[in-house]
Amino acid sequence: DAKTTQPTSMDCAEGRAANLPCNHSTISGNEYVYWYRQIHSQGPQYIIHGLKNNETNEMASLIITEDRKSSTLILPHATLRDTAVYYCIASTNNNAGNMLTFGGGTRLMVKP
Amino acid sequence: EAQVTQNPRYLITVTGKKLTVTCSQNMNHEYMSWYRQDPGLGLRQIYYSMNVEVTDKGDVPEGYKVSRKEKRNFPLILESPSPNQTSLYFCASSPLRGSPYGYTFGSGTRLTVV
Repeated sequence: DAKTTQPTSMDCAEGRAANLPCNHSTISGNEYVYWYRQIHSQGPQYIIHGLKNNETNEMASLIITEDRKSSTLILPHATLRDTAVYYCIASTNNNAGNMLTFGGGTRLMVKP
Repeated sequence: EAQVTQNPRYLITVTGKKLTVTCSQNMNHEYMSWYRQDPGLGLRQIYYSMNVEVTDKGDVPEGYKVSRKEKRNFPLILESPSPNQTSLYFCASSPLRGSPYGYTFGSGTRLTVV
């Protein structure tokens, strides 16, 4: 799996958009970008994933640059409940044993 | 409700006393996995299972055993726990063979070995 690099921490005002960057400059053509989050020692929760195109679901949007070397997770209207550690993962969608290699993630603090 | 259930949520035990952490999923998932989470080290995979009777080592398997006799259950066994196995443990399952977007995690088991 390609290594990903994320800022250690970020702050965001409640109600504003939270933009979480991720660098994956060595990503290979068959690797997807996945985002999970972990709220205070609970089990990680899947948010979104994508390969080349931008993606949107009910939780967030994922913007992937054209060269695929970086991406941004966007929470359009952050709430206090979005305070969590966000993990960006680059992984192939194959039958390998460990598809989720978690790095340090970004600790997002949403403030009132 | 679709979920992964781990038990117990909290456990304090003594060195050398065998213990089992249970994991059960009700989503008919083929793939199941165990992770441990430690401060500064993130989540690391211990063991995984692609299907019944098929298990394999993850990144940190030493000191652990698993079994997959039925599809829904994937217990984690510590034959002789040691203090360095004090950690937060998570079980996860996936609906397709190794599909990373479909992981569902349990609520975690906080284990302390004294």
